[in-house]
Amino acid sequence: GEDVEQSLFLSVREGDSSVINCTYTDSSSTYLYWYKQEPGAGLQLLTYIFSNMDMKQDQRLTVLLNKKDKHLSLRIADTQTGDSAIYFCAGGRGNQGGKLIFGQGTELSVKP
Amino acid sequence: DADVTQTPRNRITKTGKRIMLECSQTKGHDRMYWYRQDPGLGLRLIYYSFDVKDINKGEISDGYSVSRQAQAKFSLSLESAIPNQTALYFCATSDPREGSNQPQHFGDGTRLSIL
Repeated sequence: GEDVEQSLFLSVREGDSSVINCTYTDSSSTYLYWYKQEPGAGLQLLTYIFSNMDMKQDQRLTVLLNKKDKHLSLRIADTQTGDSAIYFCAGGRGNQGGKLIFGQGTELSVKP
Repeated sequence: DADVTQTPRNRITKTGKRIMLECSQTKGHDRMYWYRQDPGLGLRLIYYSFDVKDINKGEISDGYSVSRQAQAKFSLSLESAIPNQTALYFCATSDPREGSNQPQHFGDGTRLSIL
């Protein structure tokens, strides 16, 4: 079946870059998403990338997609303590399906 | 997302009880979803509905049922709660008119504990 895998924890120092990795098995996913979950809250869409793109940059966020290896990464530049949260990658087919398959979530801890 | 409201926010109950979790939205979206979140497992889809007359099972629907009472309301029921249904439950909505990537908008979750 479809599967999305992430490492569970990442710890960085404030000001460093964070890289959160994700692998997926469903090559029919047309969109790959990154959602952020802060404590006590639901998930918020951070960014997404269409499957025919290799890279997408949005301010401090850079998404890299290696479609051959089915590997997705999220880089957060100049990580701040407010970036501490759980980050989920998810695959979906956008308007063709609407459903998402989520990874386990990576808990990012940013130390001052 | 403040436009997706889940009630209650927290619930503690006993094994065997019937529980209903409610979700209402003011976004005018046709598509609604119920997920559960467990530590280390991420979010798993329980049920989804693409309009009022359309209900579909997700990957873990056993032990759950849903009702789409109106476009704005989608309820999740546990007919006879068991301890391994203790989890954080999320409702989400989406709309293809928001773009082909069709982002999902999440409520703040219901923390359910079954003793």
